[in-house]
Amino acid sequence: AQTVTQSQPEMSVQEAETVTLSCTYDTSESDYYLFWYKQPPSRQMILVIRQEAYKQQNATENRFSVNFQKAAKSFSLKISDSQLGDAAMYFCAYRSLWAGGTSYGKLTFGQGTILTVHP
Amino acid sequence: GAVVSQHPSWVICKSGTSVKIECRSLDFQATTMFWYRQFPKQSLMLMATSNEGSKATYEQGVEKDKFLINHASLTLSTLTVTSAHPEDSSFYICSAIRTSGSGETQYFGPGTRLLVL
Repeated sequence: AQTVTQSQPEMSVQEAETVTLSCTYDTSESDYYLFWYKQPPSRQMILVIRQEAYKQQNATENRFSVNFQKAAKSFSLKISDSQLGDAAMYFCAYRSLWAGGTSYGKLTFGQGTILTVHP
Repeated sequence: GAVVSQHPSWVICKSGTSVKIECRSLDFQATTMFWYRQFPKQSLMLMATSNEGSKATYEQGVEKDKFLINHASLTLSTLTVTSAHPEDSSFYICSAIRTSGSGETQYFGPGTRLLVL
């Protein structure tokens, strides 16, 4: 079974600064997806960024980028020019690419990191 | 964009009663939906996978008879908490997989907060 670990329960950053959230995972599979989700105080889960393991290029979405290190099984999220609206709980998640049957589409989440943005 | 709704958003019930939570995919069909439970400041815990037209698949430790799941159509899955007790109080979130030409994306509902008195 896959596991996802977020070792930073809480992080804080000054507005306009950069912050990096860590995520490591354990899997024996070679093909999979990795995600970062944001859960603001409203508790609506929002997809921030997605990475396919077979792509070597790190995914980027505006101010959000990842550092995907497949061999090290590491998937960190960098938030540049942090904004007050970035304050939320962030979850790293794993999904098998080829899983079917009862495992189809299942996401394995990390414990989450609460990000505070200071003005 | 794709939207998943949940109803109700908030529910308070007495201990021993049953509560039904609906999850709808508003602009796409979803053969697979998921139900999660989340405690404050904790991660999402997958309860079960809801499959249209077939029985739900429950995760280990989740009581099938207590958390009844029905996925009667391609846009609706329901979770019924039967004989609810205070320990069932939690935040319940559903998600649905949308398949398109560009691949698959999982969308989450806004969640339902359940308080059992």
